[in-house]
Amino acid sequence: NAGVTQTPKFQVLKTGQSMTLQCAQDMNHEYMSWYRQDPGMGLRLIHYSVGAGITDQGEVPNGYNVSRSTTEDFPLRLLSAAPSQTSVYFCASSNGPGYTFGSGTRLTVV
Amino acid sequence: DQQVKQNSPSLSVQEGRISILNCDYTNSMFDYFLWYKKYPAEGPTFLISISSIKDKNEDGRFTVFLNKSAKHLSLHIVPSQPGDSAVYFCAAAETSGSRLTFGEGTQLTVNP
Repeated sequence: NAGVTQTPKFQVLKTGQSMTLQCAQDMNHEYMSWYRQDPGMGLRLIHYSVGAGITDQGEVPNGYNVSRSTTEDFPLRLLSAAPSQTSVYFCASSNGPGYTFGSGTRLTVV
Repeated sequence: DQQVKQNSPSLSVQEGRISILNCDYTNSMFDYFLWYKKYPAEGPTFLISISSIKDKNEDGRFTVFLNKSAKHLSLHIVPSQPGDSAVYFCAAAETSGSRLTFGEGTQLTVNP
């Protein structure tokens, strides 16, 4: 049982480039979320999904897109990377109440 | 606005003693409260939760207390062990499984 798998673990992007952070879970969880962690700010919700085909914005959605075509996958797309998006990104899934988190993607935008 | 706040960025305790981590919230719609532990270079790990119908929940060395009137919760770790050294995040949700709102985290250091 792999849990929540995030790829890649590390990524360096140039300003203006686009990329997709992958997230997959094998626990048949309905709820999935993307968070970013920045020093002194805890984890902030980027986007959220309550099931396949249903997504919603979180606290800091600007510059990011998501889709949920299957229960298992919830990719996060950076449309045009900016240095302010340098962060550690976590994907999580749940059937309630506690979420299971992936190990994170450390993204640096130069 | 910061709906969940952890006012202590760090806490240091001796091995064997009690660790008390605190968390305050402002949104009265929050119904579930959770604590996560995070080691460096790893994702957060779910520790313990409590729903608003309870004021206490225990799991081994970990106990969470909820004071709804004060909008305050705390995590007690007894006895503290060096392996408990990590960042602890408090989180809240309006319903079970709904989006989580996190506090800023508290770095706990347990000294041998």
